[in-house]
Amino acid sequence: KQEVTQIPAALSVPEGENLVLNCSFTDSAIYNLQWFRQDPGKGLTSLLLIQSSQREQTSGRLNASLDKSSGRSTLYIAASQPGDSATYLCAVSRTASKLTFGTGTRLQVTL
Amino acid sequence: GAVVSQHPSWVICKSGTSVKIECRSLDFQATTMFWYRQFPKQSLMLMATSNEGSKATYEQGVEKDKFLINHASLTLSTLTVTSAHPEDSSFYICSASGGVSYEQYFGPGTRLTVT
Repeated sequence: KQEVTQIPAALSVPEGENLVLNCSFTDSAIYNLQWFRQDPGKGLTSLLLIQSSQREQTSGRLNASLDKSSGRSTLYIAASQPGDSATYLCAVSRTASKLTFGTGTRLQVTL
Repeated sequence: GAVVSQHPSWVICKSGTSVKIECRSLDFQATTMFWYRQFPKQSLMLMATSNEGSKATYEQGVEKDKFLINHASLTLSTLTVTSAHPEDSSFYICSASGGVSYEQYFGPGTRLTVT
């Protein structure tokens, strides 16, 4: 059974700092990996999707890497802003559909 | 981008009543829709997967007679929580997939409170 773990569970950084969120998964036979953002009481916003054949994806200040063999992914956020404060979830899929979510990292970016 | 809506955004109901939640894909045809449940400060747990025109596939531990799912069209799926109890209070999120990449697009969620 696939298990997805995210470290740290919570993180507080001052504005402007670069930061890294970690995601690990136990079964490396994945189809793709996605990073999502969730604001309190809201749904999910997809940030980046990495296919199993890819090593990384970039969007603006976000960069996600994937090392499938070691079962790890990182989300790098450059020059963090207070608006980045949210919970970040990673999710992996073994098939072309079913997602298994991680436990999430609650990020607080302070002024 | 692909937009998925949910209705209602929140609902309060009395114990023993049934509640229906709608999930719509607004600008694409969703061949597959997913229903998730999220308890406070926990991650999303998949409840069931539904393909248009077929019966839903439920995850282990999810009662199919309690959580009725209908996916009658390529743009609409409904989740009905029957005989709701306080322990069913949760945040229910749907997602829809229909593209080549099988990427899931998520709705804004429905907060259900059973009193």
